[in-house]
Amino acid sequence: YVLTQPPSVSVAPGQTARITCGGNNIGNKRVHWYQQKPGQAPVLVVYDDSDRPSGIPERFSGSNSGNTATLTISRVEAGDEADYYCQVWDSSSDHRVFGGGTKLTVL
Amino acid sequence: EIQLVESGGGLVQPGRSLRLSCTASGFTFGDYAMNWVRQAPGKGLEWVGFIKSRTYGGTTECAASVKGRFTISRDDSKSIAYLQMNSLKTEDTAVYYCTRDIKWYFDLWGRGTLVTVSS
Repeated sequence: YVLTQPPSVSVAPGQTARITCGGNNIGNKRVHWYQQKPGQAPVLVVYDDSDRPSGIPERFSGSNSGNTATLTISRVEAGDEADYYCQVWDSSSDHRVFGGGTKLTVL
Repeated sequence: EIQLVESGGGLVQPGRSLRLSCTASGFTFGDYAMNWVRQAPGKGLEWVGFIKSRTYGGTTECAASVKGRFTISRDDSKSIAYLQMNSLKTEDTAVYYCTRDIKWYFDLWGRGTLVTVSS
């Protein structure tokens, strides 16, 4: 199962960033999102399409339908600059699959 | 404190073996599946494999890129997961992360350990 993300997304501070994750009928799967800042381990920011772990700001939200899942970051801050990865479980193989990652640049 | 700490990384020659350890603390290790995820320099995340909890049979599964060369095991009495890497290749060079698996996503990550495969 292949997940496709745009290599990069740029947004001005205070605006809304949308990072997509494409996959065949991905709407039938649960999508999870991770944030990774340089030199650090990834951090879970959204799980099961749209749920947030404790400690993650409400500015981070997710949606999933059809062939595209989206991570939305509202009121973007400089500290949100990072790489973002989507991930799903491929039930046919029991494998976990990551997208290629998207670098979010805050202008 | 709930945490995962990887160890065992280093420089190794192609064709040799290396075993990584992931030591857990702050939670009941035996209740969770554990995964290994790696990241080659400047590249994205790649899932390596998992080991289920004993409740679910302790079975393992690995990505095609490492199947037959890498093996995952666990010692619940010590709260440690292992990644045995054999027949290492230069393309196995990466930071290896240990992760806790909850319903097929990763809610806890270690800081990673670097494995460099080079002659």
